[in-house]
This record gives sequence, C-alpha cells and structure tokens, in this order.
Amino acid sequence: DGGITQSPKYLFRKEGQNVTLSCEQNLNHDAMYWYRQDPGQGLRLIYYSQIVNDFQKGDIAEGYSVSREKKESFPLTVTSAQKNPTAFYLCASSTSGLQDYEQYFGPGTRLTVT
Amino acid sequence: GDSVTQMEGPVTLSEEAFLTINCTYTATGYPSLFWYVQYPGEGLQLLLKATKADDKGSNKGFEATYRKETTSFHLEKGSVQVSDSAVYFCALRGRGGGNKLTFGTGTQLKVEL
Repeated sequence: DGGITQSPKYLFRKEGQNVTLSCEQNLNHDAMYWYRQDPGQGLRLIYYSQIVNDFQKGDIAEGYSVSREKKESFPLTVTSAQKNPTAFYLCASSTSGLQDYEQYFGPGTRLTVT
Repeated sequence: GDSVTQMEGPVTLSEEAFLTINCTYTATGYPSLFWYVQYPGEGLQLLLKATKADDKGSNKGFEATYRKETTSFHLEKGSVQVSDSAVYFCALRGRGGGNKLTFGTGTQLKVEL
C-alpha cells in the first residue's frame, strides 16, 4: 500500500538535545512538507521541498533543519535552538506543479521535550 | 498575507442534526479552497475542495460552496453521525506558486447519540 510513514509515533527528549523525526513516502511524490500542530493554532508550515536536494523555509523554520537527499525521505531535525519544541509534527507529500494536487499526510509524531 | 478564519469549537451536535462550520478567508487573487478532516490520533485527510468561484465541493455527505463575494467556504452536512466526530480544518492554496497550504485553526466536532 502506498502512503506516508512517520516514526516514531511518540518521542521524548530532554531539553538541549537535537532530535530527528523521520518521514518516508512511497507515493513517488516530488514535493514534501513538514507542519507543526499546536492546540488552537492549526497547522503551520515549517519547511517544504519541491524536488530532491532543494528545500525552502516555511513560516516557522527557526530552530529546525531538514534535508532531502532522496525523493522518498524528508527528515526533520528539531534543534536545541527551537524554544518550544513540544508539539505534534505532521509530514505531507504531493505531486508538484501548478495544479491543486492533494497533499497526503502521515499519521504524525508527537514530540515531548522536558 | 493569506489567512483563514474558522469558527471556534467545540461544536457539539446530536446525531442526525444539521452541521455548519463557518470558514472565511483572506487572499490575493483567486485561491483554491479545501476542507481537511483529522480523526483522533491521526493525520489529515482531504475531505473536499473547490478551485474557482461558485464551485461546490462534496464528499461523504459534506458540501461547501466557494463564495467569492463573501470570501467564504462554509462546510455543511445535512445529517451528522457519531462517526463524523473529528477536527475539521479549512485551508487555502494561494496563487503565489508551489503547493503551500494555509490552514485555519480547526473546529472540533463532537456528535452524540
């Protein structure tokens, strides 16, 4: 079955540690996205990538980093510079282009930093 | 910049009641509009979309009409079920290139027997 996998579902880290969230897709999509979801704030775009080896900052990129070395994978690193890292992180992918291609979402990773 | 405003929740309804979740937007040009649904503990799924003025998106008994004159895209369903309990997000895709979406804050719907 095609889809997007995110692992792990729950992640716990100590403050000051970097942590990397995994996102893999087998939909053959060119574009991938990372969103952060906080209660009462909807989804906010962190980073997105429209093609391998290229990515752009979204609305809240500070304290995060990404890489796109393979079409299937778009890992997100939450660095110690991110002031409020505890949140629900969602990865998505889509076909790229000018049309309104649907974004498919993974099940999410809930990160808790104490 | 682009923005989406949704009615605050939670919205609590009895089964078979009529549902309306309001959504208005601000964007330059003519954005495409979407409703996504998130069931507990899961990611988002596209529910319906409309790409131009007066288009009506529909799926699973839900409908929304793209109203350019009122910059609105309200979600409606004639008879809700307990299984419709979820969080509903209104979103827009602007015309600035890429496939970036701007989301509203989400509206939680609870349907009771």
